[in-house]
Amino acid sequence: NAGVTQTPKFQVLKTGQSMTLQCAQDMNHEYMSWYRQDPGMGLRLIHYSVGAGITDQGEVPNGYNVSRSTTEDFPLRLLSAAPSQTSVYFCATATGSQPQHFGDGTRLSIL
Amino acid sequence: LAKTTQPISMDSYEGQEVNITCSHNNIATNDYITWYQQFPSQGPRFIIQGYKTKVTNEVASLFIPADRKSSTLSLPRVSLSDTAVYYCLPYGLNDYKLSFGAGTTVTVRA
Repeated sequence: NAGVTQTPKFQVLKTGQSMTLQCAQDMNHEYMSWYRQDPGMGLRLIHYSVGAGITDQGEVPNGYNVSRSTTEDFPLRLLSAAPSQTSVYFCATATGSQPQHFGDGTRLSIL
Repeated sequence: LAKTTQPISMDSYEGQEVNITCSHNNIATNDYITWYQQFPSQGPRFIIQGYKTKVTNEVASLFIPADRKSSTLSLPRVSLSDTAVYYCLPYGLNDYKLSFGAGTTVTVRA
């Protein structure tokens, strides 16, 4: 997806390890968010940000931290990974009344 | 956030029209209705958005009755590449917290 870049695309972690999932956008969108998608299910909102310096919790925030120091970047941190956090993680951006743009996801497995 | 109900799956054949109806009985007055499409191993992609009556673009049409308690996404003459999961979401302008359900898995067969 042009404009929203997620890295890495794949990652395997051991229980208890920490990791940061990166999301970068070049569209100058003020809104950014993180979702997780478990097999056969829709996306659930983890955290979101309406601008640099402003973040808030979504539906499933436990176990995740975020920060928004710039408009372009919105990293998602797992401080102590757990098997229940095995999922596909999507970052999305939006501006004004426009629909959200999604990245192609990070596939995370925690052993 | 308005709760939505969609069929879990639908099967079709190439060249047919596919209609997916979504119920959203408690949609807010200011909410739009958006539809997203998701292919395997990709993020959701916006298809179409509307408030009431009918909206059409190069990909699909969206029909919304006057009471706005449901909406129908119409995919004309589907092809194999239309096989995907389709999500219906009420969307408040400048309220970006989307609530995705499980969506409708559309499978198009040759």
